[in-house]
Amino acid sequence: GNSVTQMEGPVTLSEEAFLTINCTYTATGYPSLFWYVQYPGEGLQLLLKATKADDKGSNKGFEATYRKETTSFHLEKGSVQVSDSAVYFCALAAGGTSYGKLTFGQGTILTVHP
Amino acid sequence: GAGVSQTPSNKVTEKGKYVELRCDPISGHTALYWYRQSLGQGPEFLIYFQGTGAADDSGLPNDRFFAVRPEGSVSTLKIQRTERGDSAVYLCASSLQASSYNEQFFGPGTRLTVL
Repeated sequence: GNSVTQMEGPVTLSEEAFLTINCTYTATGYPSLFWYVQYPGEGLQLLLKATKADDKGSNKGFEATYRKETTSFHLEKGSVQVSDSAVYFCALAAGGTSYGKLTFGQGTILTVHP
Repeated sequence: GAGVSQTPSNKVTEKGKYVELRCDPISGHTALYWYRQSLGQGPEFLIYFQGTGAADDSGLPNDRFFAVRPEGSVSTLKIQRTERGDSAVYLCASSLQASSYNEQFFGPGTRLTVL
């Protein structure tokens, strides 16, 4: 079946540090890949997505590239801010008859200190 | 416009009781999904509706769980004979159409606690 594995957390960084959160996946066919973020006290919201191999999703300074050869979708940001503190979830939606249902990783807690 | 809303935001019940959780999707969204999120885990798929019909209920853990969407808009997740292991945050999401390309918009969730 489909699965998503995220790097172990939590991650603690100082402001302006470089961020990488690793994500690898297992899926049949050609899934779409997503990063969702959950800020404290808020619901899940889409951060970025990529729907085919070699696509790069980007938003709010975050980037992730869909790498089919390594089945990865690592999240990166060059300079984090305190306001980026949140829980980050990598997810996939398989194509075909999966109807877009999402398979999530376990989440990575990011804390950014001033 | 209004996002996905869920009621109640919190529900505390006793073991063995029946509960109903409501989801009001974004207007015009035909696809509706239910997920369950346990503490420290990512959300897990429960059931998906396209219009009024449940197109995929493969994630429902057992026959105590049931969901309906009678008019193709509001959905209700029903749990019979609740157990302590049912305690979790229940999330609802909607999207314009069911597709791996489309963004799903999530509600704030209902936190269910079974004592």
